[in-house]
Amino acid sequence: EPEVTQTPSHQVTQMGQEVILRCVPISNHLYFYWYRQILGQKVEFLVSFYNNEISEKSEIFDDQFSVERPDGSNFTLKIRSTKLEDSAMYFCASTDSRAYNEQFFGPGTRLTVL
Amino acid sequence: AQSVTQLGSHVSVSEGALVLLRCNYSSSVPPYLFWYVQYPNQGLQLLLKYTSAATLVKGINGFEAEFKKSETSFHLTKPSAHMSDAAEYFCAVSYTGTYKYIFGTGTRLKVLA
Repeated sequence: EPEVTQTPSHQVTQMGQEVILRCVPISNHLYFYWYRQILGQKVEFLVSFYNNEISEKSEIFDDQFSVERPDGSNFTLKIRSTKLEDSAMYFCASTDSRAYNEQFFGPGTRLTVL
Repeated sequence: AQSVTQLGSHVSVSEGALVLLRCNYSSSVPPYLFWYVQYPNQGLQLLLKYTSAATLVKGINGFEAEFKKSETSFHLTKPSAHMSDAAEYFCAVSYTGTYKYIFGTGTRLKVLA
């Protein structure tokens, strides 16, 4: 069964460093999302992406964040200069249809900023 | 603003007992509604979804949920809890025009032997 994959599963970085989180959405999906979950808190929407551009972003998604679909399979989230408060689980999701919008989630990348 | 409320951050039930996890949404427009389950150190797995068809929705692992527009609720139930149901459960909504998910704060279900 097709699934969303994410790498790495765990990333440890120093504050101020750049990180790139990678996702491979399901192959025929067209809409892509990033969410994050700070430990013990709810899952929060970061950004949605369609047709090579951002469709919607939350107030969390500031200038330190960017997304890219560099080729036909990968979807990346870049944090330019990480802060302690960026420590969280980051989930990628994809869907093939806006009509019912069932999103398929990857297993997540746990980012730890020291 | 649109929001989702899950009453009870922790729920404990005995094995074999009824599971009831509550979800209420606030919106004047019809939402799409979802329940996801998250097992420890794993991602989010869809349990079931409401997309304006039948109001009683059956999902995986014996779970079901009923959409009640008058109560703006979408509570998750399972007649008989199993030890393997212990996990965190998230209710989420999305709307035509935005499609992002708005999640509730989650309910951690504990099943007692």
